[in-house]
Amino acid sequence: DTEVTQTPKHLVMGMTNKKSLKCEQHMGHRAMYWYKQKAKKPPELMFVYSYEKLSINESVPSRFSPECPNSSLLNLHLHALQPEDSALYLCASTLTGGPLLNTEAFFGQGTRLTVV
Amino acid sequence: AQSVAQPEDQVNVAEGNPLTVKCTYSVSGNPYLFWYVQYPNRGLQFLLKYITGDNLVKGSYGFEAEFNKSQTSFHLKKPSALVSDSALYFCAVRDELNAGNNRKLIWGLGTSLAVNP
Repeated sequence: DTEVTQTPKHLVMGMTNKKSLKCEQHMGHRAMYWYKQKAKKPPELMFVYSYEKLSINESVPSRFSPECPNSSLLNLHLHALQPEDSALYLCASTLTGGPLLNTEAFFGQGTRLTVV
Repeated sequence: AQSVAQPEDQVNVAEGNPLTVKCTYSVSGNPYLFWYVQYPNRGLQFLLKYITGDNLVKGSYGFEAEFNKSQTSFHLKKPSALVSDSALYFCAVRDELNAGNNRKLIWGLGTSLAVNP
């Protein structure tokens, strides 16, 4: 199984809602990532979990809250988002992260988020 | 400062012709370089990487890339383009300033490839 599975594929939420994005991989990868991507732009790194510990937070607003319940799962909890947060949210995993980071990343298909 | 440049926003090529998507980088030391492709409404897919060794790297879907240290380049190539190669291509280099768990990828802005039938 070489897939990263993200749910839901599409999400529309109001600015007062609370929702969660989910990501799952069963490749035994020990680093997992959340990226935000606007149309035709490169992915912007948000968070990295390495061995289930948060290793990078790219100064992301607190309305985004990541969680890594175990080595296969990654969640992104959303609360009180703004319309400018509308984007494609991508989850990715690598065999190792941190100092090595020499292996390819596997990306999920993303969640297309629209904040209204 | 560390950076990746993809000098062309858009590349157009006729089907069957060779294609090149350009990438130059600026990092200290020996670079770890990657190419990813993104098809419409999809996540990114890994194409190939250069870590060490042969300067010509072969990857998925018939793509290859040539590492040139003197020109700090890592151009993506394919001998014969297909319409299905039309997509957004990203070059990335590993951050070499942060050696610990803060290490991450630095991404180029992307090049949109259009292969015309």
